[in-house]
Amino acid sequence: GQQVMQIPQYQHVQEGEDFTTYCNSSTTLSNIQWYKQRPGGHPVFLIQLVKSGEVKKQKRLTFQFGEAKKNSSLHITATQTTDVGTYFCAGYGSGNTGKLIFGQGTTLQVKP
Amino acid sequence: GAVVSQHPSWVICKSGTSVKIECRSLDFQATTMFWYRQFPKQSLMLMATSNEGSKATYEQGVEKDKFLINHASLTLSTLTVTSAHPEDSSFYICSARDGLAAEQFFGPGTRLTVL
Repeated sequence: GQQVMQIPQYQHVQEGEDFTTYCNSSTTLSNIQWYKQRPGGHPVFLIQLVKSGEVKKQKRLTFQFGEAKKNSSLHITATQTTDVGTYFCAGYGSGNTGKLIFGQGTTLQVKP
Repeated sequence: GAVVSQHPSWVICKSGTSVKIECRSLDFQATTMFWYRQFPKQSLMLMATSNEGSKATYEQGVEKDKFLINHASLTLSTLTVTSAHPEDSSFYICSARDGLAAEQFFGPGTRLTVL
């Protein structure tokens, strides 16, 4: 079945350093979504990318969708302690199943 | 964004009892709701897809007789864990989506502990 892989699983950075998490799907995605889950919390929708090669920015966060629509990345510039949490990518596969397939998530720790 | 509530937020029960978890979309009509299970430090595992007025679609390996799902209205879905066992202890999260948007809005989750 369709799989969405995310790397790295964990990342520890010093506050102010940059951070990137990568997402790869075994199949072409109709779109890619990113969610953030704070410790003890629930996933919160960050953004959705639809077009091949699309790049979107939210303040210090930059999201990219690959040309082949099989991979994506989230880059955080100058991390802050408020960025701590687990970042999940998720995509709807082809066939319009309506089911989001989640990656394993990347847990970010930021040392002040 | 849209708000989804879940009740209860946490529950402790004895082995063999049943527990019902409610998921409500507060400010929109959710044609589809999803139930996920999340183990500590792991990703979300989709258990079932719930469409209003029809039977839920369960993912492979999820026992439909153990995890009963009812989606009686456009704003409410319930998950009942029947004859709960300690291995059912987990974080259960629902999400909801209206017919137009692709994004899902997650509830705050229910932490179930079975003694």
